[in-house]
This record gives sequence, structure tokens and C-alpha cells, in this order.
Amino acid sequence: AQKVTQAQTEISVVEKEDVTLDCVYETRDTTYYLFWYKQPPSGELVFLIRRNSFDEQNEISGRYSWNFQKSTSSFNFTITASQVVDSAVYFCALSDAFGNEKLTFGTGTRLTIIP
Amino acid sequence: DTGVSQDPRHKITKRGQNVTFRCDPISEHNRLYWYRQTLGQGPEFLTYFQNEAQLEKSRLLSDRFSAERPKGSFSTLEIQRTEQGDSAMYLCASSLRGGRINNEQFFGPGTRLTVL
Repeated sequence: AQKVTQAQTEISVVEKEDVTLDCVYETRDTTYYLFWYKQPPSGELVFLIRRNSFDEQNEISGRYSWNFQKSTSSFNFTITASQVVDSAVYFCALSDAFGNEKLTFGTGTRLTIIP
Repeated sequence: DTGVSQDPRHKITKRGQNVTFRCDPISEHNRLYWYRQTLGQGPEFLTYFQNEAQLEKSRLLSDRFSAERPKGSFSTLEIQRTEQGDSAMYLCASSLRGGRINNEQFFGPGTRLTVL
């Protein structure tokens, strides 16, 4: 069975600080995909990134970066120079590669950026 | 392309009533998923379609729940004899499955169901 753990329930940081959201996953699949989604107060889930299990290169997109470490089954997400608009609930998710591809989500981390 | 749409956005009903939700996926997407999200939790998978075929149902989907996707376009999710425990946000997502590529799922705004 697949499982995603986001141990940080809530995080608050002051604007312009850097913040890292942790994600640890469990799967028996050798090929799988990892995702991060953002859920702002409006409620709609917004896709941020997809990473397959064969690609362990870190990725940077503007102020966002992701650190995938297969050895520790972690896929952490860092926001640099945080802004108030980053306030949201962030979900890490896992799916298989060749089956139904359903997403298994963590419980989310509520991030609050204090102006 | 306006993305995934869901209707209604909010539904309040009394226990025991039937409700039906609609999801319109992104037009070229062949996969459609239904998830349920309760307060403080991540979305949980309910069922999915590849074109018009319903290929998997979660054990969360009791006999009171039924989903359809006629002609592989929009989908409906019906809950019969609603219970207070059915109160949740019902999310629809769609994706394009082609070859060996696992593409991201795009989510709609959800239907928030409140059962009184």
C-alpha cells in the first residue's frame, strides 16, 4: 500500500523567510511519481510539480525548489523568500506509474506567511 | 480551455435525500477521477474512469454511491440516502493518459456537500 506522511501540520514564517515543507512516502512500486499541489483559501488544488522515481535531480522553478532523495524516501519542497501569496495548504502526493495512477495524498501542511 | 468544472459548488441537503454532482473535465482528457476531502485531510480516491469505462472503485465508495461517465465526456456522482458522514468536499480531476506518460491531474473547484 502507498502512504504519504507530512509531519508538519502547520508552519508560520515571516515574509521573506525561507521555508521547507517535508514529505516522506512509502511504496512497494519500483516506478512511481511524486507530486506537490497547492490548495489556496479558494479551495482549488493547483498542480506544482511532478517527479518520476528515476529522476533524482533537484528542480528549481523561480522561488520554488524540490529535493528528491530516494534513499530516505523524501520529496521536500522549499520556498525561498516567502510571500504572503504563498499562504495555503500544500499537499504531497504519490501515484503508481502503470496502473490506475490514483493519487495518494498526505494530510497537508498549512503554511501561513506573516507580513 | 476553461479547465475542470464542477456543478453545483455547494449543496445542502437533509439526511436521507439523494444528491447528484456533475463534473466536466478538460475536453481532451481521457481519464477522470473522483476524490473526497474532509476537513483537515488530504483528498481520498473514490473512483476513476478511462473514457466511459469505470475501472476502479475505492472501498470508500459504498453501495449508496454511483458514478457514471456516459460517452466518455462529463461524469456524474450520485449519493443515495445521504448520511451526515457524507458531508465533505467532492473533487473531480482529469488527466490525459497516453502511452507510458503519467500526466498530472488537474482538479476542479469541488462541490461542498453538507448533510443536515
